[in-house]
Amino acid sequence: ETGVTQTPRHLVMGMTNKKSLKCEQHLGHNAMYWYKQSAKKPLELMFVYNFKEQTENNSVPSRFSPECPNSSHLFLHLHTLQPEDSALYLCASSQEPQGGGANVLTFGAGSRLTVL
Amino acid sequence: GIQVEQSPPDLILQEGANSTLRCNFSDSVNNLQWFHQNPWGQLINLFYIPSGTKQNGRLSATTVATERYSLLYISSSQTTDSGVYFCAVASGSARQLTFGSGTQLTVLP
Repeated sequence: ETGVTQTPRHLVMGMTNKKSLKCEQHLGHNAMYWYKQSAKKPLELMFVYNFKEQTENNSVPSRFSPECPNSSHLFLHLHTLQPEDSALYLCASSQEPQGGGANVLTFGAGSRLTVL
Repeated sequence: GIQVEQSPPDLILQEGANSTLRCNFSDSVNNLQWFHQNPWGQLINLFYIPSGTKQNGRLSATTVATERYSLLYISSSQTTDSGVYFCAVASGSARQLTFGSGTQLTVLP
C-alpha cells in the first residue's frame, strides 16, 4: 500500500448506529487531517493532528470523535449522526515543516457516508 | 478568514480544447495549491504554487501574488481531465488551507 488509504469507501448507517472511519498513511508524514465535503460546498476542515496531538478542531459537533493513536493512523468515530452529516469524508496527510515552508497535502480517496 | 473564489463554476469543453481556470483570493498567501478531484472522489495535488509559474505536461499554473490570483491552464484537454479543480490557500500565520468552491470541468469526446 502506498499513499493514504481510507476504509470503508462507502458506509450507510442509521442515526442510532456507531461506526468508525479509518485512515492510514504510508508516507512518513507527521500531520493528518479530516475534511468534510458536502454537495455544493467547499471542503471543510474538521480536525488536524500533528505528531498525534490534536492541533485544530473547527467547531465540529461532538457526535464526531477523532482518534490518532500514532502518526500513521487516524480514525473518525461516528455516533448518533443526523441525515445532514451525509457527505464525503476525506483524510489527508502532510509533512509539516518545522520552522515554516511548504505544507503540501496528500489525500485519500474518501469515505462516502450516508445517514438514514 | 481569507476568501477564495474560483471561476468559472462549470466548464464544458470538447476534447483537444484549451482552458483557463481562475482563483482569486482576498489576502496575501504563503501557500497555494491546485487539486484535481476525479469523478470517484480522489483529490490529487497538481501544483504547490504560492508565486511564480510551473508546468507539468499539459498543465501549467501561474500565481501573481501581488494581484491575488492564480490561473490553471489545461492544454489539449482529454476526457480524463474531467472532474473538479480546487484552489486552496493559506494566509498569514494560518497553517491550514482554505478551499474554494471548485470548477467542474467536463471534457466531451
